[in-house]
Amino acid sequence: AQSVTQLDSHVSVSEGTPVLLRCNYSSSYSPSLFWYVQHPNKGLQLLLKYTSAATLVKGINGFEAEFKKSETSFHLTKPSAHMSDAAEYFCVVSGKGGGNKLTFGTGTQLKVEL
Amino acid sequence: DADVTQTPRNRITKTGKRIMLECSQTKGHDRMYWYRQDPGLGLRLIYYSFDVKDINKGEISDGYSVSRQAQAKFSLSLESAIPNQTALYFCATSDFDARGYTFGSGTRLTVV
Repeated sequence: AQSVTQLDSHVSVSEGTPVLLRCNYSSSYSPSLFWYVQHPNKGLQLLLKYTSAATLVKGINGFEAEFKKSETSFHLTKPSAHMSDAAEYFCVVSGKGGGNKLTFGTGTQLKVEL
Repeated sequence: DADVTQTPRNRITKTGKRIMLECSQTKGHDRMYWYRQDPGLGLRLIYYSFDVKDINKGEISDGYSVSRQAQAKFSLSLESAIPNQTALYFCATSDFDARGYTFGSGTRLTVV
């Protein structure tokens, strides 16, 4: 079985300050982990993915995430938030324990203020 | 053209009506999926298909059925729509080891 927990349903930051979106996962096997972003009234866009290579994963638009097996975490960070980062972010796990299907977290809504 | 195309993009239907959501893909992937998105719940898997002859229920399949007409086509049906099926529906495809997912743009369904 596999699951993912996004620890914050809403995060608010000021433009230019760092972003941290937290995600913990559970998986019986070595997982693949993803972060997706969804802007208002838009579809899903892949930000980055971890598939057992380097534990620090760089994605698009300056985002990165670090896979920490000991902490079962895959937190998403960005050094400096931009207004265009305001969106909903989903942490997702996939692995043999789930038949290689995706299991989504419940999402974190990121608000960026001036 | 998009890799994964969903039709219609938006649909309003009445309670009790039958409705079909269609998905087609040009990725050449064998695996296809239907998810629904509800606010605060993320995306949940309805049905998935690993090839034309292999169809499986996901975590919330009650009230839904699917048909895999060809490798490239996977449709989702609501036999008798009810208001709590109002949601945003996504179709997706993936390669054999599920590391490369491609999502459609979604179908917004409202049941009144």
